[in-house]
Amino acid sequence: AQKITQTQPGMFVQEKEAVTLDCTYDTSDQSYGLFWYKQPSSGEMIFLIYQGSYDEQNATEGRYSLNFQKARKSANLVISASQLGDSAMYFCAMREGEGGDYKLSFGAGTTVTVRA
Amino acid sequence: AAGVIQSPRHLIKEKRETATLKCYPIPRHDTVYWYQQGPGQDPQFLISFYEKMQSDKGSIPDRFSAQQFSDYHSELNMSSLELGDSALYFCASEVSSYNEQFFGPGTRLTVL
Repeated sequence: AQKITQTQPGMFVQEKEAVTLDCTYDTSDQSYGLFWYKQPSSGEMIFLIYQGSYDEQNATEGRYSLNFQKARKSANLVISASQLGDSAMYFCAMREGEGGDYKLSFGAGTTVTVRA
Repeated sequence: AAGVIQSPRHLIKEKRETATLKCYPIPRHDTVYWYQQGPGQDPQFLISFYEKMQSDKGSIPDRFSAQQFSDYHSELNMSSLELGDSALYFCASEVSSYNEQFFGPGTRLTVL
């Protein structure tokens, strides 16, 4: 069964506007972590933001924030004030278990295109 | 700051050849992961090592093997290459008990 679901294959957003990327997950673990990565056309995977299952506050990192709704098992990424350089593929990922040494399971990704 | 280093960055091989991909984790990182990302797909976990011991195994073909050496660098060995092995191979490293996997730039393998 798919552990991470990203239902938006592609999105267009106007420069300087905000965009929300959806991510839902499936796990029976009580302890897990949720990640968002950005993959530009050059191919590298860039870490954006992390949310732990026990974190009560939504994670924020600069223009990135994670809207964590535990009961709904969703971890949406919000990018505020979009820039042309934000055009990329965005992956939601989950690790199950606590601490380190746990692999990431990725969603199918969402392609974001920022228009000037 | 030091990042994860992967070599080579690009590799072109013929079918049935072998390939070796190398990964140098960030200093003091004790865990290494290998992922395979096919064209237009999400990364799939292959194998991981913690303190030089294999810690987990994913959908890694029997034709592939990997190890982590005493200096913590890791190598992914791929034999009898097939066209379907063409992909971007990522190595990621982390400090166990921390919550961020740092990805290397990837090795793009093309099998002709």
